[in-house]
Order: sequence, then structure tokens, then C-alpha cells
Amino acid sequence: GIQVEQSPPDLILQEGANSTLRCNFSDSVNNLQWFHQNPWGQLINLFYIPSGTKQNGRLSATTVATERYSLLYISSSQTTDSGVYFCAAVSNFGNEKLTFGTGTRLTIIP
Amino acid sequence: ETGVTQSPTHLIKTRGQQVTLRCSSQSGHNTVSWYQQALGQGPQFIFQYYREEENGRGNFPPRFSGLQFPNYSSELNVNALELDDSALYLCASSSPANYGYTFGSGTRLTVV
Repeated sequence: GIQVEQSPPDLILQEGANSTLRCNFSDSVNNLQWFHQNPWGQLINLFYIPSGTKQNGRLSATTVATERYSLLYISSSQTTDSGVYFCAAVSNFGNEKLTFGTGTRLTIIP
Repeated sequence: ETGVTQSPTHLIKTRGQQVTLRCSSQSGHNTVSWYQQALGQGPQFIFQYYREEENGRGNFPPRFSGLQFPNYSSELNVNALELDDSALYLCASSSPANYGYTFGSGTRLTVV
């Protein structure tokens, strides 16, 4: 099945800094999503982005499907951005299941 | 539109017992997927239901079973609980017309 890898595994930043999270995937995809998991376990959908670029406030994401990677950008980080960020993808081949990466744990220090 | 709701939020069971977790899908979504998330790991796919039929299964033993009802809500049943079944169980709904998945807030199961 599809492999989804995320980097870095951990990131500690000062409030106000910018960050870039990366997701590599092994197959062509028909679905790619970025999620933020808060400390209570809730997975919040940030972007549905199998290709192209999207922006939502301080967050933006770009997926280059032909090169099999996606990037999540967070600008002017706030402490509420802390948590684990997951990338998840559905392969064009095989079962229609969403496969998650191992996540990036982001900690924003005031 | 209503989101995905899961119940209960927390549960403590004894090894060997059985448990049923419930999930109501988002309005307009006809597909439900269940995931297990152990501490410090990413969610792992258990199975998916579409129109009341199992539509894909991950690497989980048969003691993990499920149901989907005509209103697209779903149950996850786990028999003969083991200590390693302690985890956050997440339900997600989706629709073929919109491939985005929406997740519930999860059920945290502790097996003692």
C-alpha cells in the first residue's frame, strides 16, 4: 500500500516564527489531506489538497502531485498552533482508505 | 450541517470484555471509516463501510467487527479485549462526491 512519510518529526519554534512541514507519498493519489490534532485528540481537517495550492488565513498548503510531496506552511505561529500535524493520502490504486503519516509534533513557545 | 459525533468519549474495560463504540456520520456522507490511534502514533485503518457493507479492511483480527445502519451511522465492536487495544478510536465520514474525510473527536478506550 501507499507509504506516507512526514518531516521533521518534531519542531519547536518561538511564537511569531514561520514553519514548513513536509509530506512525501509513494503513489499517485486522488486524496491528500492535512490535519491538526489538538491535545484532546480531535483531528481538525486543515486542507483537502490532492494537487495545487490553497490558503486559509495564516496556513497554506501546496501539493506537487507529479513529484509526490506536499508542504504545509504556517506563518506567524501562535501557541494555539501547537499539536501534531498529520498528512494523510488515498492512493489511486487499491482500497479507498486514508493512510496517515507518522506526524510532525509542533510546539510553539511564547 | 452536523459533524461526526462519537460516543462514549471515554471508556474503561477489563481484559476479556467486549465493547461497542458508536459513530454518527456527517450529514450527506454515506461512507464511514474507523481508525485506531495508539499513543504517539498515527491513526491506523481498521475498516470502512459503504452502504451498510464492509468496503475494505486493515490489518486487524476478526474480533474487530462493525456495522453500518441505513442512516449511515456505524458501530465498532471489539470482542475479547486485550491490553494492547487501549487506544483512541476515531471515526471518519466521507462521500464519493467529496473525498474529504471528516473526523469525530474519538473514543478513548482503556483496557485494564
